[in-house]
This record gives sequence, structure tokens and C-alpha cells, in this order.
Amino acid sequence: DAGITQSPRHKVTETGTPVTLRCHQTENHRYMYWYRQDPGHGLRLIHYSYGVKDTDKGEVSDGYSVSRSKTEDFLLTLESATSSQTSVYFCASKFGGRANEKLFFGSGTQLSVL
Amino acid sequence: QKEVEQDPGPLSVPEGAIVSLNCTYSNSAFQYFMWYRQYSRKGPELLMYTYSSGNKEDGRFTAQVDKSSKYISLFIRDSQPSDSATYLCAMNTQGGSEKLVFGKGTKLTVNP
Repeated sequence: DAGITQSPRHKVTETGTPVTLRCHQTENHRYMYWYRQDPGHGLRLIHYSYGVKDTDKGEVSDGYSVSRSKTEDFLLTLESATSSQTSVYFCASKFGGRANEKLFFGSGTQLSVL
Repeated sequence: QKEVEQDPGPLSVPEGAIVSLNCTYSNSAFQYFMWYRQYSRKGPELLMYTYSSGNKEDGRFTAQVDKSSKYISLFIRDSQPSDSATYLCAMNTQGGSEKLVFGKGTKLTVNP
């Protein structure tokens, strides 16, 4: 997975609790992305970052926040988890900003909100 | 109409078969067309990339884009059990990857 590590790999939590997922990359990639993957919806972009402290919203950002204090780390926080946020979360990264540039994905975090 | 439509399958074929996977799209501004392969419990990995119309071949894999019909295809020749995975099409305009739109994926099983 091209030096992209997601942690934890699995998490079970309760409704209303905050949850933070971590993405760590060793490729010195400038751009990083958080996606969620759900049956019937495919991959949907939550938030992305185009540099340290530079982030922006994606298609499904409500209920999520992100932070990027270092090039290698991109954190996704569910401020108050809901059952609708049960999903598989993928982090991705790439070096540059071109539209056709290859995205490298992590192995995902399976999150269950009970 | 969704921007990108992809039949989720599942598709089951015998080893050695030719596999055809397809996506249709509605946004005529899409110029970059990609196929990602995703094994179970793994993240997607880029398999093929095509710019605008035409064909691209890489080993047993051929990607085709028909912009006039807004239709893209991925062909797998001499399919192998190791090709069993979910295949996601993805498309982009001139924008950055935040504009990348994925299909829902087609699950393929190649039976030995």
C-alpha cells in the first residue's frame, strides 16, 4: 500500500462518542484524502488536504473534521459518532495536484457505530 | 441520473474467459478515465489510466474509452483466479483529485 498506514484497522464505538482515525504516509505526498466506502454508494470523498494545515470539504463532510499538522499525518475525527457513520474509511495520498495523478490508498478502517 | 453508473454485478466467470467491465457517465467534461482494482479488505489500487478517447493495453488488460457514447470498458483476457476482485471505474475533469468520481464497483469472481 505504498507506505500508507491507517489506524486502527477495526473499531467499534457507541453512538455519541468522538472517534479519531489516523492516516500516516511515508511517501512525502503533499495531497491526502479521506473517503468512505458503503454498499450502494461506492467511494465518497469526506475531506482532503493540499498541504500542512490546508484542508477542504468533500462531498460528505457533515459530522467530520480533519487536521493535518505534519506532512505525513492526516487525522479524521467523527465529532459525535452516529450509526450512519458505520462504514469502511480509506485514506489516500498522492504527490502532486494533477487530475490524472495516481492515488495511493491505505488498507482501510472498518468502523462500527452501535 | 448519477454522474457515473457501474453495474455492481456480481460477475462470475470460468478461468480463461474474457471479461468485460463497463461504466457509463453523464458529464461530458470528464477527460481522465481510470480503473482501480480492489481486493477484499484492501484499498483500491490503480490498474489502468486513459486520457480522452481510445484504447490502452497493458498485458492482459485493455481499457477503452468512447467519449461520443460516454462509455468506458475494461477487458481482461485469459482471466485468472487472482483477478477476482472488485473493479472500480473513476473519472475526472481537469480539476484535482477532489473532483474524482468513482463508480460503485463491479465484483468479479474467476473460478478455477
